[in-house]
Amino acid sequence: DTEVTQTPKHLVMGMTNKKSLKCEQHMGHRAMYWYKQKAKKPPELMFVYSYEKLSINESVPSRFSPECPNSSLLNLHLHALQPEDSALYLCASSQGLLGLLSYNEQFFGPGTRLTVL
Amino acid sequence: TQLLEQSPQFLSIQEGKNLTVYCNSSSVFSSLQWYRQEPGEGPVLLVTVVTGGEVKKLKRLTFQFGDARKDSSLHITAAQPGDTGLYLCAGYSGGGADGLTFGKGTHLIIQP
Repeated sequence: DTEVTQTPKHLVMGMTNKKSLKCEQHMGHRAMYWYKQKAKKPPELMFVYSYEKLSINESVPSRFSPECPNSSLLNLHLHALQPEDSALYLCASSQGLLGLLSYNEQFFGPGTRLTVL
Repeated sequence: TQLLEQSPQFLSIQEGKNLTVYCNSSSVFSSLQWYRQEPGEGPVLLVTVVTGGEVKKLKRLTFQFGDARKDSSLHITAAQPGDTGLYLCAGYSGGGADGLTFGKGTHLIIQP
């Protein structure tokens, strides 16, 4: 099973709303990632969790708050977003064995299409 | 900052033709992955190449990793309309859990 699931599929929110994106994988992967993708652009890395600890934060504004409750789940909490934050938010996972893997094969979920009004 | 230059960015060809997409960098990667993405969906992993000079085949798709592990190519034989999509190459530099460096993608349209 190489499936990463994401909910919701679509989300429309106002700039004062608080919402959360959810991601789940059952492949036993220990690294999980959030990427942001604008139309016709490649994905841009936001956060990396390795063994449930935040290991990389690519200077993302604090209105995005990641959380990794356990090794299978990854959340992205959203608060006071701006219209320019509208994008496809992608979750990915990989085996994440630190220093032991030379290829870090990442599997992506279907994404959440976020629209901020 | 590592960069992956992917070309062409856009390609529209007739069904049955062959095509090649290139991914080049001045940096060495531990591995390089190719993804295909449909509009509004997440990227789907096609292949991972790890060894310099490696060639992998997936039906009509042939992937090659350069000897120096700085470049890669994707060749499609007898393209079909179902091959239409965004093709992304992504490099991994090694060191455990880390993000991928993506090329800008190739938007491929196969006309019936």
